[in-house]
Formats: sequence, C-alpha cells, structure tokens
Amino acid sequence: GNSVTQMEGPVTLSEEAFLTINCTYTATGYPSLFWYVQYPGEGLQLLLKATKADDKGSNKGFEATYRKETTSFHLEKGSVQVSDSAVYFCALIQAYAGGTSYGKLTFGQGTILTVHP
Amino acid sequence: KAGVTQTPRYLIKTRGQQVTLSCSPISGHRSVSWYQQTPGQGLQFLFEYFSETQRNKGNFPGRFSGRQFSNSRSEMNVSTLELGDSALYLCASSSQGRGAETQYFGPGTRLLVL
Repeated sequence: GNSVTQMEGPVTLSEEAFLTINCTYTATGYPSLFWYVQYPGEGLQLLLKATKADDKGSNKGFEATYRKETTSFHLEKGSVQVSDSAVYFCALIQAYAGGTSYGKLTFGQGTILTVHP
Repeated sequence: KAGVTQTPRYLIKTRGQQVTLSCSPISGHRSVSWYQQTPGQGLQFLFEYFSETQRNKGNFPGRFSGRQFSNSRSEMNVSTLELGDSALYLCASSSQGRGAETQYFGPGTRLLVL
C-alpha cells in the first residue's frame, strides 16, 4: 500500500535559519504530493502541492520538488520565522486509481517545528 | 466563501456511549472525507462520501459509520465508544474528491472518552 515517511522531529531552529524537512513516499502509479501545516488548536491548511514529476510547489517562501527518481518531496524554506512554528505533514493521494483512491490522503507522521527568536 | 465547519468542537463521553459529529463542507463541494488524528497513530483516513454515497473506506471497525445528506453535509457516528476512540476528528471537503484536488480541512472535533 501507499506510505509516507517524514524525518524524525521535533525540529528546533533560530529565526532566519534554513529549514529542510525530509519526506519520502512509497506508492504505485502517479501520486500527487502535498505539504499541509497544522497550527495549535486548528485543522490542516494546504501549504503547497505538486502533481507530477519535477513539479515544484511553492507558497509563503516554502518550496518542495516532486522527485520521482528518489521518491521524495522535501520541504525547504530559506529563512524561517517564529510564525512558522507548527506541525508539518507530508501527504500523498493516489490519482486515477479508482475507488480506493477517492478522497483518501495518506499522511506522514508529522514534524513539529519550533522557531525561536 | 465560508470554510469547512465542524460541530461540536469539543465532546466528552463515557465508554459505551455513542456520538455523532457533523461537518458542513465548503459551498459547492460534494466530496467529504473524514480522518482520525491521534498522537500514536497520526492521521488516518476513515471514509469518503460523494453525492450521498460512501465511495471509499479506511481500516476502521464497523462502530465507525457515516452518512452524507443531499446538501453535502456529512455526519459520522461512533457507537459503543472505547477509550482509544479519544482523538481529534477532522473532516475535509473538495469539489469531486479526485486526484490532485485540494482537500480543505475543518478545525476538527476533539473527542475525549472517559
């Protein structure tokens, strides 16, 4: 079946540091890949997505590139802010796989990011 | 547009009781998915509904059920509650529930089973 593996957390950084959160996946076919962010007490918000190999998703200074050869979708940001402190989830959905794919996101375990001033 | 809303936001129940959670999707969205979030198991898919039909189901016991109404609002029900059902229950809506469509999440219902 499909699976997503994220780097172990938590991650603690100083403001303006460079961020990388690793994400690798296992899936058949051509999954679409997502990064979601969850702030305390809230639901998940889409951060960025990519739908095919070599696509780069970007939003609010965050970037991730869909690498089919390494089955990876690592999240990066050049300069983090205190307001980026949250839990980050990598996820995939199987596209065009019929009934077993409808509405079913498969998530990694989440990475807690804390940014200090 | 209003976002996805879930009610109630918090619930406390005792073992053996049943509970019903509600989710109102974004206007125009016809697909609603439900997820359970726990510290131990993370985010797990429960089921997905589209046009009042369950199209997909995760690996949860039959105590977990759901339905969708003609206005796309969805409910999930958990019967005979167990301590391990304590979790944050999230629903998400999308237009068709297919492929790369973005799923928009509600704030969740936090269920505590005592």
